[in-house]
Amino acid sequence: DTAVSQTPKYLVTQMGNDKSIKCEQNLGHDTMYWYKQDSKKFLKIMFSYNNKELIINETVPNRFSPKSPDKAHLNLHINSLELGDSAVYFCASSQVRGTSGVNEQFFGPGTRLTVL
Amino acid sequence: QKEVEQNSGPLSVPEGAIASLNCTYSDRGSQSFFWYRQYSGKSPELIMFIYSNGDKEDGRFTAQLNKASQYVSLLIRDSQPSDSATYLCAVNEPSSASKIIFGSGTRLSIRP
Repeated sequence: DTAVSQTPKYLVTQMGNDKSIKCEQNLGHDTMYWYKQDSKKFLKIMFSYNNKELIINETVPNRFSPKSPDKAHLNLHINSLELGDSAVYFCASSQVRGTSGVNEQFFGPGTRLTVL
Repeated sequence: QKEVEQNSGPLSVPEGAIASLNCTYSDRGSQSFFWYRQYSGKSPELIMFIYSNGDKEDGRFTAQLNKASQYVSLLIRDSQPSDSATYLCAVNEPSSASKIIFGSGTRLSIRP
Protein backbone atom coordinates (compact mmCIF):
# COMPACT_ATOMS: atom_id res chain seq x y z
CA ASP A 1 0.00 0.00 0.00
CA THR A 2 2.82 2.37 -1.00
CA ALA A 3 1.60 5.97 -1.05
CA VAL A 4 3.98 7.49 -3.62
CA SER A 5 5.98 5.10 -5.77
CA GLN A 6 8.66 5.70 -8.40
CA THR A 7 10.36 3.54 -10.97
CA PRO A 8 13.14 2.83 -11.48
CA LYS A 9 14.94 3.21 -8.17
CA TYR A 10 18.34 3.36 -9.87
CA LEU A 11 19.15 4.48 -13.38
CA VAL A 12 22.66 4.35 -14.84
CA THR A 13 23.06 5.54 -18.41
CA GLN A 14 25.45 7.09 -20.88
CA MET A 15 25.60 10.75 -21.85
CA GLY A 16 23.33 11.59 -24.74
CA ASN A 17 20.75 8.91 -23.98
CA ASP A 18 17.04 9.56 -23.34
CA LYS A 19 15.41 8.15 -20.21
CA SER A 20 12.11 8.30 -18.34
CA ILE A 21 11.12 8.10 -14.68
CA LYS A 22 7.60 7.18 -13.63
CA CYS A 23 5.66 8.19 -10.53
CA GLU A 24 2.32 7.08 -9.15
CA GLN A 25 0.42 8.10 -6.03
CA ASN A 26 -2.56 6.37 -4.43
CA LEU A 27 -3.33 9.09 -1.88
CA GLY A 28 -6.04 10.72 -3.97
CA HIS A 29 -4.04 13.96 -4.09
CA ASP A 30 -4.60 16.42 -6.90
CA THR A 31 -1.09 17.90 -7.08
CA MET A 32 2.17 16.16 -7.96
CA TYR A 33 5.75 17.40 -8.13
CA TRP A 34 9.20 16.60 -9.41
CA TYR A 35 12.20 17.64 -7.31
CA LYS A 36 15.92 17.31 -7.95
CA GLN A 37 18.31 16.73 -5.06
CA ASP A 38 21.93 17.29 -5.94
CA SER A 39 25.08 15.98 -4.28
CA LYS A 40 24.94 18.77 -1.70
CA LYS A 41 21.47 17.55 -0.69
CA PHE A 42 19.73 20.73 -1.83
CA LEU A 43 16.14 19.89 -2.78
CA LYS A 44 14.88 22.02 -5.65
CA ILE A 45 11.47 21.93 -7.28
CA MET A 46 11.35 21.37 -11.03
CA PHE A 47 7.70 20.94 -12.00
CA SER A 48 4.25 20.64 -10.49
CA TYR A 49 0.96 19.44 -11.95
CA ASN A 50 -2.52 19.99 -10.55
CA ASN A 51 -5.18 17.73 -12.03
CA LYS A 52 -3.03 17.13 -15.13
CA GLU A 53 -2.35 20.85 -15.62
CA LEU A 54 1.21 22.21 -15.38
CA ILE A 55 1.26 24.87 -12.65
CA ILE A 56 4.94 25.16 -11.72
CA ASN A 57 7.69 25.14 -14.30
CA GLU A 58 10.96 26.28 -12.78
CA THR A 59 14.05 27.21 -14.76
CA VAL A 60 14.82 23.74 -16.02
CA PRO A 61 16.45 22.87 -19.38
CA ASN A 62 13.84 21.99 -21.98
CA ARG A 63 15.50 18.56 -22.24
CA PHE A 64 13.30 17.77 -19.23
CA SER A 65 9.66 17.19 -20.11
CA PRO A 66 7.05 16.19 -17.55
CA LYS A 67 3.82 14.48 -18.49
CA SER A 68 0.75 13.75 -16.39
CA PRO A 69 -1.70 11.31 -18.03
CA ASP A 70 -4.02 11.56 -15.02
CA LYS A 71 -3.88 13.07 -11.55
CA ALA A 72 -2.40 9.90 -10.02
CA HIS A 73 0.57 9.72 -12.39
CA LEU A 74 3.42 12.06 -13.25
CA ASN A 75 6.30 11.03 -15.48
CA LEU A 76 9.57 12.77 -16.28
CA HIS A 77 11.32 12.31 -19.60
CA ILE A 78 14.88 13.52 -20.04
CA ASN A 79 16.45 13.89 -23.48
CA SER A 80 20.16 14.02 -24.30
CA LEU A 81 21.33 13.30 -20.76
CA GLU A 82 24.31 15.24 -19.48
CA LEU A 83 26.78 14.57 -16.65
CA GLY A 84 25.21 17.39 -14.62
CA ASP A 85 21.85 15.61 -14.64
CA SER A 86 23.24 13.06 -12.19
CA ALA A 87 21.19 13.48 -9.01
CA VAL A 88 18.35 11.95 -7.06
CA TYR A 89 14.93 12.80 -8.48
CA PHE A 90 12.00 12.75 -6.09
CA CYS A 91 8.34 12.70 -6.93
CA ALA A 92 5.91 14.10 -4.36
CA SER A 93 2.19 14.65 -4.03
CA SER A 94 -0.10 16.82 -1.93
CA GLN A 95 -3.65 18.03 -1.58
CA VAL A 96 -3.36 21.80 -1.63
CA ARG A 97 -6.10 23.41 0.46
CA GLY A 98 -7.14 26.97 -0.33
CA THR A 99 -4.70 29.80 -0.88
CA SER A 100 -3.14 29.71 2.57
CA GLY A 101 -0.35 27.42 1.49
CA VAL A 102 -1.59 24.39 3.40
CA ASN A 103 0.44 21.95 1.39
CA GLU A 104 1.79 18.89 3.15
CA GLN A 105 3.84 17.08 0.56
CA PHE A 106 4.59 13.37 0.65
CA PHE A 107 7.63 12.05 -1.17
CA GLY A 108 8.35 8.94 -3.16
CA PRO A 109 11.50 6.87 -2.54
CA GLY A 110 13.53 8.66 -5.20
CA THR A 111 15.32 7.67 -8.41
CA ARG A 112 19.09 7.88 -8.33
CA LEU A 113 20.22 8.85 -11.83
CA THR A 114 23.87 8.43 -12.74
CA VAL A 115 25.04 9.70 -16.10
CA LEU A 116 28.40 8.33 -17.23
CA GLN B 1 14.88 35.13 -4.67
CA LYS B 2 12.96 33.67 -1.76
CA GLU B 3 15.29 32.04 0.75
CA VAL B 4 15.13 29.55 3.56
CA GLU B 5 18.30 29.44 5.62
CA GLN B 6 19.53 26.68 7.88
CA ASN B 7 22.85 25.97 9.53
CA SER B 8 24.25 22.95 7.69
CA GLY B 9 25.81 21.47 10.82
CA PRO B 10 26.68 18.85 11.74
CA LEU B 11 24.96 19.46 15.06
CA SER B 12 26.15 16.95 17.63
CA VAL B 13 23.91 16.34 20.65
CA PRO B 14 24.31 13.74 23.42
CA GLU B 15 21.65 11.08 23.73
CA GLY B 16 18.81 12.16 26.00
CA ALA B 17 19.45 15.89 25.52
CA ILE B 18 17.33 18.42 23.62
CA ALA B 19 18.28 19.05 20.00
CA SER B 20 17.40 22.51 18.71
CA LEU B 21 17.23 23.13 14.96
CA ASN B 22 16.71 26.59 13.54
CA CYS B 23 15.49 28.08 10.30
CA THR B 24 14.93 31.61 9.00
CA TYR B 25 12.96 32.63 5.94
CA SER B 26 12.94 35.74 3.81
CA ASP B 27 9.33 36.15 2.63
CA ARG B 28 7.20 37.78 5.31
CA GLY B 29 4.06 36.60 3.51
CA SER B 30 4.77 32.91 4.09
CA GLN B 31 2.03 31.22 6.08
CA SER B 32 2.96 27.56 6.43
CA PHE B 33 6.10 25.94 7.68
CA PHE B 34 7.24 22.35 7.54
CA TRP B 35 9.95 20.17 9.01
CA TYR B 36 11.08 17.12 7.10
CA ARG B 37 13.50 14.44 8.26
CA GLN B 38 15.72 12.73 5.71
CA TYR B 39 17.81 9.71 6.56
CA SER B 40 20.86 9.09 4.39
CA GLY B 41 19.80 7.50 1.10
CA LYS B 42 16.09 7.90 1.86
CA SER B 43 13.34 10.34 0.90
CA PRO B 44 12.23 13.34 2.98
CA GLU B 45 9.55 12.47 5.53
CA LEU B 46 7.18 15.10 6.91
CA ILE B 47 7.41 15.18 10.71
CA MET B 48 5.85 18.50 11.71
CA PHE B 49 4.00 21.45 10.22
CA ILE B 50 2.95 24.71 11.83
CA TYR B 51 0.81 27.60 10.64
CA SER B 52 0.28 29.76 13.74
CA ASN B 53 2.67 31.70 15.91
CA GLY B 54 3.73 29.85 19.02
CA ASP B 55 4.49 26.24 19.79
CA LYS B 56 3.07 23.02 18.43
CA GLU B 57 3.94 19.77 20.16
CA ASP B 58 3.78 16.22 18.80
CA GLY B 59 5.36 13.59 21.00
CA ARG B 60 9.05 14.41 21.45
CA PHE B 61 8.91 17.08 18.74
CA THR B 62 7.99 20.74 19.21
CA ALA B 63 7.83 23.22 16.35
CA GLN B 64 8.09 26.91 17.25
CA LEU B 65 7.09 29.75 14.94
CA ASN B 66 7.78 33.46 15.30
CA LYS B 67 6.47 35.27 12.22
CA ALA B 68 7.64 38.68 13.44
CA SER B 69 11.22 37.42 13.51
CA GLN B 70 10.69 35.16 10.47
CA TYR B 71 12.04 32.28 12.45
CA VAL B 72 10.94 28.68 12.86
CA SER B 73 12.58 26.04 14.98
CA LEU B 74 12.28 22.36 15.81
CA LEU B 75 13.05 20.97 19.24
CA ILE B 76 13.61 17.26 19.76
CA ARG B 77 13.40 16.19 23.40
CA ASP B 78 15.08 13.07 24.78
CA SER B 79 17.17 12.73 21.61
CA GLN B 80 17.76 9.18 20.41
CA PRO B 81 20.43 7.82 18.05
CA SER B 82 17.57 7.11 15.61
CA ASP B 83 17.01 10.88 15.37
CA SER B 84 20.35 11.22 13.58
CA ALA B 85 19.39 12.51 10.13
CA THR B 86 19.25 15.68 8.04
CA TYR B 87 16.36 17.97 8.96
CA LEU B 88 14.92 20.11 6.18
CA CYS B 89 12.94 23.25 6.88
CA ALA B 90 10.39 24.20 4.19
CA VAL B 91 8.26 27.30 3.77
CA ASN B 92 5.40 28.02 1.41
CA GLU B 93 5.85 30.65 -1.28
CA PRO B 94 2.92 33.04 -0.91
CA SER B 95 2.58 33.72 -4.65
CA SER B 96 1.97 30.03 -5.34
CA ALA B 97 -0.45 27.80 -3.44
CA SER B 98 1.54 24.72 -4.44
CA LYS B 99 5.16 25.75 -4.07
CA ILE B 100 7.23 25.23 -0.98
CA ILE B 101 10.88 26.19 -0.74
CA PHE B 102 13.32 23.98 1.11
CA GLY B 103 16.34 24.98 3.12
CA SER B 104 19.57 23.10 2.57
CA GLY B 105 19.09 21.10 5.76
CA THR B 106 20.85 20.65 9.08
CA ARG B 107 22.65 17.39 9.72
CA LEU B 108 21.94 16.18 13.26
CA SER B 109 24.08 13.56 14.97
CA ILE B 110 23.02 12.07 18.31
CA ARG B 111 26.00 10.61 20.13
CA PRO B 112 25.40 7.73 22.58
